[in-house]
Amino acid sequence: QVQLVESGGGVVQPGRSLRLSCAASGFTFSRYGMHWVRQAPGKGLEWVAVIWYDGSDKYYSDSVRGRFTISRDNSKNTLYVQMNSLRAEDTAVYYCARDHTSSWSRLDYWGQGILVTVSS
Amino acid sequence: EIVLTQSPGTLSLSPGERATLSCRASQSVIHNYLAWYQQKPGQAPRLLIYDASSRATGIPDRFSGRGSGTDFTLTISRLEPEDFAVYYCQQYGSSRALTFGGGTKVEIK
Repeated sequence: QVQLVESGGGVVQPGRSLRLSCAASGFTFSRYGMHWVRQAPGKGLEWVAVIWYDGSDKYYSDSVRGRFTISRDNSKNTLYVQMNSLRAEDTAVYYCARDHTSSWSRLDYWGQGILVTVSS
Repeated sequence: EIVLTQSPGTLSLSPGERATLSCRASQSVIHNYLAWYQQKPGQAPRLLIYDASSRATGIPDRFSGRGSGTDFTLTISRLEPEDFAVYYCQQYGSSRALTFGGGTKVEIK
């Protein structure tokens, strides 16, 4: 069965960096696009970034472009997001999600999420 | 960027009643590439509907989606206790960004 497990969250000071990982299993990771989606406490879902199946294309939301970098290692079945210059408004549960296709469409499987808190 | 506006913000209904949720896009969604997700407290979202009207694997047939262009609807024909949750629409027709609606909470009346 498809499993996505996020790790790397925690409390970080404003301006600092953090890298999240998402370990994938139960499917051929290298065939699917992958996303990060976040949810601030008590708020709705916000799409963050997507990476194509082979890493050839990446897109970001306006709110994180230039600060976050999505990447993947298909040999390790792992998705990453490097988050730099973190702000209080980046505080959220971060979900990794599998795209139904090799690029982007609907998100058919989600991880359980990992909390990132940006606070001094 | 396509903005999705969901209404109402909260829907108060009783089990067995019909729920109708709306999602309106700021511009036409190409190929009706619109999905609906259900999220319960403390859980990740779950895909319900894709391409505006196709049910995802394992989704009961009391859930249905319809619409095209800029206006989309999710209908739950008869609410079961486990259906009380928050529902989000999401478009994937844009070539630059995915977007989610703000959500509709379906609560027990």
